[in-house]
Formats: sequence, C-alpha cells, structure tokens
Amino acid sequence: DAKTTQPPSMDCAEGRAANLPCNHSTISGNEYVYWYRQIHSQGPQYIIHGLKNNETNEMASLIITEDRKSSTLILPHATLRDTAVYYCIVRVGPGTSYDKVIFGPGTSLSVIP
Amino acid sequence: DGGITQSPKYLFRKEGQNVTLSCEQNLNHDAMYWYRQDPGQGLRLIYYSQIVNDFQKGDIAEGYSVSREKKESFPLTVTSAQKNPTAFYLCASRSGTGLTYNEQFFGPGTRLTVL
Repeated sequence: DAKTTQPPSMDCAEGRAANLPCNHSTISGNEYVYWYRQIHSQGPQYIIHGLKNNETNEMASLIITEDRKSSTLILPHATLRDTAVYYCIVRVGPGTSYDKVIFGPGTSLSVIP
Repeated sequence: DGGITQSPKYLFRKEGQNVTLSCEQNLNHDAMYWYRQDPGQGLRLIYYSQIVNDFQKGDIAEGYSVSREKKESFPLTVTSAQKNPTAFYLCASRSGTGLTYNEQFFGPGTRLTVL
C-alpha cells in the first residue's frame, strides 16, 4: 500500500500562506491523494483531494507534481482557526472491495498571531 | 440533520470486559470504517465495510470484531483480547465504492478508557 510522509510540525504567521508538503513516492496511477485536518479531539474534516491535476476549493489549493510523487496543500491566508493536524492520505484500491484510506501521523500546523 | 453519530462520547470499562462502540449514519452511505487513534498519533484502520454483511480487516484488527447487518450501523466490539484498548475511536462513512470522488465523513469519536 502507498504510504505518505509529512513533516511532524510547522508554524505559520497569521494571514500568511501555509504550505504543507507531502511525499507519496510509491503512489499508484489510480490512487487519489486526499487532505484532511483534525482539530484536537474531533473527527477529521475533509479539505480537498486530487489525482493528477491541481485543485482548488474554498478552503485550500492542492498542487500535485507531474510525477505524482509529492503534493503541497496551500492555505492561502492562514487564520488561528486553521491550527490543527493536517493529514495527507492516499486512497488505495478505488472501486474494489479493498477500497480504503491510509492515514499517517500528519503535520501539526500552528498558526501564530 | 444528516450525519454520523457515535455513542457514548466517553466510555469506561474494567480490564477483561468486552465493550461495544456504536456507530450510526443516516447519510445512506455504503462504506463504513473504524479507526483507532492514540495520543499524538495518526489514525489506524481497524475494520471497514463496503456493503452490508461484508467487512474487511484493516491494519490492526486483532482484538476487535465488527458486524454490518444494516447499512446505517457498524458497531465495533473491543474484546478482552485487545491488549491495550484505551484510545480514541473514530467511525467514518463514505458514499459509493466506485472510482469517482466521495468524501469520507467522520463521527465525533468515542474515548474509551480501560481501568
């Protein structure tokens, strides 16, 4: 199964862009990359996902390298409420009976006033 | 309101007792998942189910059991065989099992403490 690696922690100044990197060098051609975040003691919240192309929604942008071995989540204007653990995860076996997502330890983002 | 409910939020049990954690969803989702989270760690997959009456082991299934008799319910039993059951347990569901995008929704979690 594909695995992801992320830095354990990052800081970002309030109002600045937060760029969170993720490596997924063993990702297969049909495996999606998803980003979730978890505020302390709550269930994770979906942010964005992608397969090959860059994606943007109201929360964030996702930049995927051409070889798909890494991606970056961008929070364009970080606020204090964005302080959370961010998970870059891979969905494996899409469309099969083994369809599942694999979580890693994530990146703890601290937004500093 | 549509969503996933887990009850109770906090649960205490004595060592050696089996305990069942509830997970119910009214989102009409096909797939359901159970994760375990330890302090400072990510989520680890225990069991998952793509369809009623079928489920698969995740990465840490030993000491746990599940059933999927109804689409909306996916209870998790933590048995006495689970050596270190104290953890935060999260249930999730997702619509569809095809190749198209489908977001995974999480419940609020149950914090189990075994004394």
